[in-house]
Amino acid sequence: GAGVSQTPSNKVTEKGKYVELRCDPISGHTALYWYRQSLGQGPEFLIYFQGTGAADDSGLPNDRFFAVRPEGSVSTLKIQRTERGDSAVYLCASSLTVGELFFGEGSRLTVL
Amino acid sequence: GDSVTQMEGPVTLSEEAFLTINCTYTATGYPSLFWYVQYPGEGLQLLLKATKADDKGSNKGFEATYRKETTSFHLEKGSVQVSDSAVYFCALSDNYNQGGKLIFGQGTELSVKP
Repeated sequence: GAGVSQTPSNKVTEKGKYVELRCDPISGHTALYWYRQSLGQGPEFLIYFQGTGAADDSGLPNDRFFAVRPEGSVSTLKIQRTERGDSAVYLCASSLTVGELFFGEGSRLTVL
Repeated sequence: GDSVTQMEGPVTLSEEAFLTINCTYTATGYPSLFWYVQYPGEGLQLLLKATKADDKGSNKGFEATYRKETTSFHLEKGSVQVSDSAVYFCALSDNYNQGGKLIFGQGTELSVKP
């Protein structure tokens, strides 16, 4: 389809493991965002790319979290040494216009 | 820092009732304001927006007016339907800082009963 695609939709891992979450944005959208959403909460901003570069990574909680977008399209969110507190739904969105984001359905991460 | 506060849910209404979901914001610049909606099993999607004071955003029978004097952007609908059952998120984008990110409220769940 033409929407934002996120894989995997569901990921269960053990504490301490490494995880990668992938986002395939809408073709032609230059801006890409990662958010994290916990149950009953609004999306929490993590990082924003404009093209290949991270324009704002102020929401990354610590240095275990890292994201890349090497060719200005697909992005990968990487989490090292996962902790139980990292369990959440990770949302990706892309955009052409400020504030008008198109979201994927999210990747649900569970850390046991 | 910038923030958004929404009324707590869940909100339960009968079909054809009037809906108001309150949203207030704090921002240092001149933000644009948005309402996003998340239907069960679906991703977040933009419902409506307003980019400057006194603007009214509208879509699918929903409306919200950007009130700078009260720093509010309350969502209203005159007659809700069962299909409006969803979680509604108020959000702002701070244009002053030229950043693209949205800051979201905590969401308000709406349940409409037939």
